[in-house]
Amino acid sequence: TQLLEQSPQFLSIQEGENLTVYCNSSSVFSSLQWYRQEPGEGPVLLVTVVTGGEVKKLKRLTFQFGDARKDSSLHITAAQPGDTGLYLCAGAARSSNYKLTFGKGTLLTVNP
Amino acid sequence: KAGVTQTPRYLIKTRGQQVTLSCSPISGHRSVSWYQQTPGQGLQFLFEYFSETQRNKGNFPGRFSGRQFSNSRSEMNVSTLELGDSALYLCASSFLRDRNTEAFFGQGTRLTVV
Repeated sequence: TQLLEQSPQFLSIQEGENLTVYCNSSSVFSSLQWYRQEPGEGPVLLVTVVTGGEVKKLKRLTFQFGDARKDSSLHITAAQPGDTGLYLCAGAARSSNYKLTFGKGTLLTVNP
Repeated sequence: KAGVTQTPRYLIKTRGQQVTLSCSPISGHRSVSWYQQTPGQGLQFLFEYFSETQRNKGNFPGRFSGRQFSNSRSEMNVSTLELGDSALYLCASSFLRDRNTEAFFGQGTRLTVV
């Protein structure tokens, strides 16, 4: 059973600050995805990373997949109140028939 | 292109009743997965259907069941509801099931059991 641990669980920062959230596992994943979920809504896919060491940028968001494909990070530069939400990482592994395994998420609050 | 549609959005049921939730995937997507989301446990996988066949199943009791129709629409059923079944139930559709799987979620059905 693959498990994904996300940290921190909660994060409250001021507008303009930078932050990094982490997603770690002892298992190897074929791909890893990041989602953002707002209250009362379903998660929305932000990015998919598939290659060890891969870095993807989406405006102020930078996603990195670890070399061993066991971990990932999400870095947000100059956070804005609109970045507030629950950030979820999810991994897919061939051993589990590519079923997505989700971390419990990081709840980010960006205060104006 | 329409997204994933889940109905109803909100539901209140009493203990012991049963409930059926519906999910219409993105057109062309053949894989539908169901998740239960609670504050304490996060997103927990219920089951996945692909071309009307259940391909994966999570660790939930037999009271939770599902099915998929030939048009890829899916339903999940929960019988003999318990208070602990109160949660946001999310459906996600995917085009394929491979290493590049990308799941697109509906808005969810908020089930409250009283």
